[in-house]
Parts: sequence; structure tokens; C-alpha cells
Amino acid sequence: DQQVKQNSPSLSVQEGRISILNCDYTNSMFDYFLWYKKYPAEGPTFLISISSIKDKNEDGRFTVFLNKSAKHLSLHIVPSQPGDSAVYFCAAKIGGSQGNLIFGKGTKLSVKP
Amino acid sequence: GAGVSQSPSNKVTEKGKDVELRCDPISGHTALYWYRQRLGQGLEFLIYFQGNSAPDKSGLPSDRFSAERTGESVSTLTIQRTQQEDSAVYLCATATDKYNEQFFGPGTRLTVL
Repeated sequence: DQQVKQNSPSLSVQEGRISILNCDYTNSMFDYFLWYKKYPAEGPTFLISISSIKDKNEDGRFTVFLNKSAKHLSLHIVPSQPGDSAVYFCAAKIGGSQGNLIFGKGTKLSVKP
Repeated sequence: GAGVSQSPSNKVTEKGKDVELRCDPISGHTALYWYRQRLGQGLEFLIYFQGNSAPDKSGLPSDRFSAERTGESVSTLTIQRTQQEDSAVYLCATATDKYNEQFFGPGTRLTVL
């Protein structure tokens, strides 16, 4: 049973527009969430995170929103750039410990020039 | 180097053979994780080492899989009697005691013929 779900396997967006990647989770014990970006033939790289005590975290063009009541988070990229084309993984964990992250299956983002 | 390194980058083996994958962590990172990503799937947790504590082996799919790590040094993941379903990218990640972010290596692509 998947605890972290990314229901859209792919997303295509025009350069300059907003990209919105969604993630749902089922375990209410999760209290720390991360987004990773992965290019082909490379390992995932950390992008942005959010603690459950917040509902928004912003870093440059990237903003993560957390809706705890809906067990939903989203990553907004604005404006989208062709270099943002990659697979984006949502991950969750019970914060404060160094246990394993639970990953979603990823969403492949394509930003078209 | 400054990042997590893994070797080999690619490994092709015949069904039934044993393989050994290596991960060199970032210096000073006490936590080390192994993940597996099968085609079209998300990252699947395999095993977690934290310093000299007993590893969390809860993600290992069968007793053909084992991993070792001495202290905060190199880790090796061994798969005995490989099967075709073991074909995947095997990713290693490390983290410090203080942060939740995991830093990933580039992975080893294993193909079992």
C-alpha cells in the first residue's frame, strides 16, 4: 500500500508558465516532506522541504504548499524553465529521526521552450 | 570528491550470479541508505545504517540481499543468486546527524539477463 502517491506520471508545461506537481500521503504520522529532482543517469538531488508546522515554504522559483487536513502537498515552479525538465519525487518521513524516506513514484516534468 | 560516489555505474550479470555494489559516502555522514528504483517505479527503501547501531534491514526484499558498513566508511550491497526482477538502479544516499536531507549518489544500474 503506497503511503506517498504522485498520481500524475507526467506533466508538460510551456516555458515561463507555472508548473504544479501534486503529492498525496496517507500516513498522518508524517511530519516532514521533501521534494527531490532527478535527471537521467543521476541520483536525485534535494530541492526543497517543509515541516508540518508550516503550510508554505518558498525558495526562489520553488514553493511547496502543505495542506495537512487534506494530506496533500504541492510543488509550484514559477516561472518554469526548460532546465527544470526532470523527474520530481515527493518524499515523506517522521521528522526528528534519521529513518528512511518514503518516496512517491515521481512525476516527469517537461518544460517546452 | 565532495559527493556520494557509487561503483560500478553499470553492471550486467547473468541470472544466478552474485553481484556486489559499492557506495562511498560523504565524509562525516553517519547515516547511509540503500534504495532501489525499478523501471517506472519510485525509490524503494532497502536498508539503513546509522553509525555503529544495528542496521534497519526492514526493506530488504529477500535473504539474497545483504549489506555491510563498518563505522562511517564504505558500504557494500551484495545480491546473491541474482534474478531478473533484481534489475534496477540501486541508489545510495547519506546524511548527517543534524539534517533530514539525504544526498544521493548517481546509482548503479544493474541488469540481470
